Amino acid sequence: DAGVIQSPRHEVTEMGQEVTLRCKPISGHNSLFWYRQTMMRGLELLIYFNNNVPIDDSGMPEDRFSAKMPNASFSTLKIQPSEPRDSAVYFCASSLDRGRSYEQYFGPGTRLTVT
Amino acid sequence: SQQGEEDPQALSIQEGENATMNCSYKTSINNLQWYRQNSGRGLVHLILIRSNEREKHSGRLRVTLDTSKKSSSLLITASRAADTASYFCATALLPRGAQKLVFGQGTRLTINP
Repeated sequence: DAGVIQSPRHEVTEMGQEVTLRCKPISGHNSLFWYRQTMMRGLELLIYFNNNVPIDDSGMPEDRFSAKMPNASFSTLKIQPSEPRDSAVYFCASSLDRGRSYEQYFGPGTRLTVT
Repeated sequence: SQQGEEDPQALSIQEGENATMNCSYKTSINNLQWYRQNSGRGLVHLILIRSNEREKHSGRLRVTLDTSKKSSSLLITASRAADTASYFCATALLPRGAQKLVFGQGTRLTINP
């Protein structure tokens, strides 16, 4: 099993540019999560999907952030326009949810630096 | 403030010793999970304990849960250098948030050879 796949692993961009992060969950998993990790704020849940439908996006910082899950094997997190305070490691995780809370499997993360 | 808060923030012990980390939370939970994160990597699930369970074991890991005190502890016995990592507790909330995890700030564990 390949695990959760994220791309790119590292992204350096200038303020104002659009950034798109990509995630491929584990095959067969029906829930997908986007997290952001910083030293100051720790690990924050941004949004999660169940069966490709966004369930809770209350963690999305502002309208500059958007996430999509067009099918069960792909999700994107977009930041437009990006700002230096968006610099963080962004993790995607997936799990198999049968109505109870199961463990989440994390990808390796995308380290985003906005200059 | 954080739902889950780990204590201590950092812990340094000698190889072979036991390491104990604590987690406190504020609201009722469905379950509590512990994760490990090695430097520069994603989190790895270690163990899950449900709200109706008091203790659980997995290899060298022992987790306890006290819902009356809203606290949990993770014990790693006979520590090894490879256990050096950050450890996070995560709570799955009630009632609709069974799938949503809230992570604490983590404990940085260093095992000295």
